[in-house]
Amino acid sequence: EVQLVESGGGLVKPGGSLRLSCAGSGFTFSTYSFNWVRQAPGKGLEWVSTLSGDSRYIYYADSVKGRFTVSRDNARSSLYLQLNSLRAEDSAMYYCARESGGWSRDYWGQGTLVTVSS
Amino acid sequence: QSALTQPPSASGSPGQSVTISCTGTSSDVGGYNYVSWYQHHPGKAPKLMIYEVSKRPSGVPDRFSGSKSGNTASLTVSGLQAEDEADYHCSSYAGNNNLIFGGGTKLTVL
Repeated sequence: EVQLVESGGGLVKPGGSLRLSCAGSGFTFSTYSFNWVRQAPGKGLEWVSTLSGDSRYIYYADSVKGRFTVSRDNARSSLYLQLNSLRAEDSAMYYCARESGGWSRDYWGQGTLVTVSS
Repeated sequence: QSALTQPPSASGSPGQSVTISCTGTSSDVGGYNYVSWYQHHPGKAPKLMIYEVSKRPSGVPDRFSGSKSGNTASLTVSGLQAEDEADYHCSSYAGNNNLIFGGGTKLTVL
């Protein structure tokens, strides 16, 4: 069974940092690209970042470029998102999602909550 | 890019059909056949229901169908069931390795 489990969220002050993790199981992790997608309270989903299976291709939304860094460790079947210079508007549930055909995301985790507040 | 436009809410009685729209532009929905739909029950992981406009992943009931006309994509849920009550989000490829989502639609089964 494919499973994605996020962790690492929490309460952080503006300007602070946080590192999110996503552990995958039930499939060959290294053969898939992954995404981070977030949802602020009361808002829709927002694509944040994409990382290819071999880490050669990395893409970020303009809203996080220069502040967030995505990485992965295929030996540990894990995806990471380093969040720096956090702002109140970064407060959201952060999901990792496996990329599938046609720019769809076929499996998602349940998310980890990031709250940026003083 | 701006988010895709979805109605904030939709509703229907059990057994009825309901259609949720997702409107973009010629740079996203209208320009590519890469529209997906996700079902999201609060507190759970989003679930892929439709990809590439009208394709259903294995295990998704055929009560769920997708279509597109111009810059507007649609998700139709036929034979509504209580468990269909959830938030539904559309997404579309928007070029330059960008993906955009809609604001989400809360579907209520009356």
